[in-house]
Amino acid sequence: QQQVRQSPQSLTVWEGETAILNCSYEDSTFDYFPWYHQFPGESPALLIAIRPVSNKKEDGRFTIFFNKREKKFSLHIADSQPGDSATYFCAAANTGNYKYVFGAGTRLKVIA
Amino acid sequence: EAAVTQSPRNKVTVTGGNVTLSCRQTNSHNYMYWYRQDTGHGLRLIHYSYGAGNLQIGDVPDGYKATRTTQEDFFLLLELASPSQTSLYFCASSDVPNAETLYFGSGTRLTVL
Repeated sequence: QQQVRQSPQSLTVWEGETAILNCSYEDSTFDYFPWYHQFPGESPALLIAIRPVSNKKEDGRFTIFFNKREKKFSLHIADSQPGDSATYFCAAANTGNYKYVFGAGTRLKVIA
Repeated sequence: EAAVTQSPRNKVTVTGGNVTLSCRQTNSHNYMYWYRQDTGHGLRLIHYSYGAGNLQIGDVPDGYKATRTTQEDFFLLLELASPSQTSLYFCASSDVPNAETLYFGSGTRLTVL
């Protein structure tokens, strides 16, 4: 069963637009929510992460919005650039056992 | 930057074959993980470990064994490989609870004919 659901499967935006990637989870014990990105032929790498004590985390053009009540979180990429084209994975972990569970990924394409 | 080294980079075997994938990290991280990556499924956790001699079951463990022989080394064993195990395998390590970043190796592409 997919413990972390991610949508859309693929997303195409124009350069300068905001890309929005969504995730939801079921397990209430999850308390750490990172996003990883993976460029073609490379390994996943941490992009940004949030803990439920906050409902928003910003790092430059990347922002996580977190809704604990609805068990949803999203990644907003502002002013999208062609270099942002990659696969993005949301994840969730329980910091009691550090078991990281990933979503199925969103393949983002930014068109110039 | 943490270094996680996987070997081999590519492996081809036949159905029923015996395969061992290796992972070494030299950053004294406690936790190590094995994931498989398949289109449409993302990264799925096979096994993980929080130290030498420890093994925790992941979400897709069937057909896989793992062993953490030292702090540095984590092995994934496929004793009777099947075509359904054809995949890209990633090892990762993390210095939790000090830092929660997963550092991934370069991956091993396994093909089971």
